[in-house]
Amino acid sequence: EVQILESGGGLAQIGGSLRLSCAASGFVFRSYAMNWVRQAPGKELEWVSGITSGGGRPFYADSVKGRFTISRDNSNNRLNLQMNTLRAEDTATYYCAKGRYGDPKSEMDHWGQGTLVTVSS
Amino acid sequence: DIQMTQSPSSLSASVGDRVIITCQASQVISIFLNWYQQKPGRAPKLLIYGASNLETGVPSRFSGSGSGTDFTFTISSLQPEDIATYYCQQYNTLPITFGGGTKVESK
Repeated sequence: EVQILESGGGLAQIGGSLRLSCAASGFVFRSYAMNWVRQAPGKELEWVSGITSGGGRPFYADSVKGRFTISRDNSNNRLNLQMNTLRAEDTATYYCAKGRYGDPKSEMDHWGQGTLVTVSS
Repeated sequence: DIQMTQSPSSLSASVGDRVIITCQASQVISIFLNWYQQKPGRAPKLLIYGASNLETGVPSRFSGSGSGTDFTFTISSLQPEDIATYYCQQYNTLPITFGGGTKVESK
């Protein structure tokens, strides 16, 4: 059974940093792209970042480019999101989602339950 | 970025009703379109991929169609457990983008 569990959310200050992590199991982690998708309270889904199965190609939404860094550890089945220079508009639930194939340009077939990030002064 | 416009933004329907949601892309995206269901406080769930393919385990009352820029999602006979928000999502071009969502409520 595929399991995805996010951690690392919490309260951060504007301009501060936070590191999210996602532990995956039940599938061959190194074979699939992984993504971060966020949802501000009461708002729609927003894709934040994705990374290819091998980890060599990260991709970002313009809203986070230069501030967020996605990485993966295929030895330990973990996905990370380093979030720097946080803004109030980064407040959201962050979901870790598995891609169907090795490229992020695919459907996201399994999702974690999300971790809440609140950015405030 | 490709903009995804969903309509309506909300609707009310009765059990047994046919529900239709549309999604329009700002550029041609072939069939690279998925549909997700999200219930309050829960993660999204993939229902339809590649515009018309039913994800394993998803009831057959859900269906999708379309290609190019115009897509349709249908629930043939609404069930109580289908009360949720539905999102379309394109993956033709990065960044991946989602529609604004359609909230399906019980009449």
